[in-house]
Amino acid sequence: QVQLVESGGGVVQPERSLRLSCAASGFTFSRYDLHWVRQAPGEGLEWVAHILSDGGDAYYAVSVKGRFTISRDNSQDTLYLQMNRLRGEDTAVYYCARGAVAGSESRTIDYWGQGTLVTVSS
Amino acid sequence: QAVLTQPSSLSASPGASASLTCTLRSGINVGSYRIYWYQQKPGSPPQYLLGFKSDSDKQHGSGVPSRFSGSKDASANAGILLISGLQSEDEADYYCMIWHINFWVFGGGTKLTVL
Repeated sequence: QVQLVESGGGVVQPERSLRLSCAASGFTFSRYDLHWVRQAPGEGLEWVAHILSDGGDAYYAVSVKGRFTISRDNSQDTLYLQMNRLRGEDTAVYYCARGAVAGSESRTIDYWGQGTLVTVSS
Repeated sequence: QAVLTQPSSLSASPGASASLTCTLRSGINVGSYRIYWYQQKPGSPPQYLLGFKSDSDKQHGSGVPSRFSGSKDASANAGILLISGLQSEDEADYYCMIWHINFWVFGGGTKLTVL
């Protein structure tokens, strides 16, 4: 069964940095695109970033571009999100999620982790 | 104007059917997009329900009951999630999503109450 387990959340001061990790299992990690999606308290879902299966390219939401970096280690089946210059509006539960298999025309996001809470506050 | 607009809430009775709409912004043609639907219950991550582009291009999530189905209303430029035979366990938030110019975009969500 597909499992995605996020870690690294916590309370951080504005303008500081934090790195999230997501350990994957139950599928061939290197064959799938991956995403980070966040949800502010009481709010809806917001897509944050996407990385191709081979790590060769990445895309970001306008709200985080230039501050966040998504990366992956296919030898460790782990996804990362480096978050720099954090702001109060970045406070949210961050979900790691599986995207489409490489070469597919689908753009689905099908499996989600349980999420990790990031709170940006002084 | 948001890319995807969903009504904030909807109520329906057990056993009835519920149609949840996801309206695309003017200028974005629903016919060109696969609409993905997610269910989220309090304290849990979203669960993938299905993706629908056309009757010949659709996909159900693993283990998702056939009571959940997708369609489109081209005249309204909207995607539709139809839930038939409503059960109390269907009470949740529902989100639509599309892939649009290298971005994934979610609607604001509809809170479905079954009462």
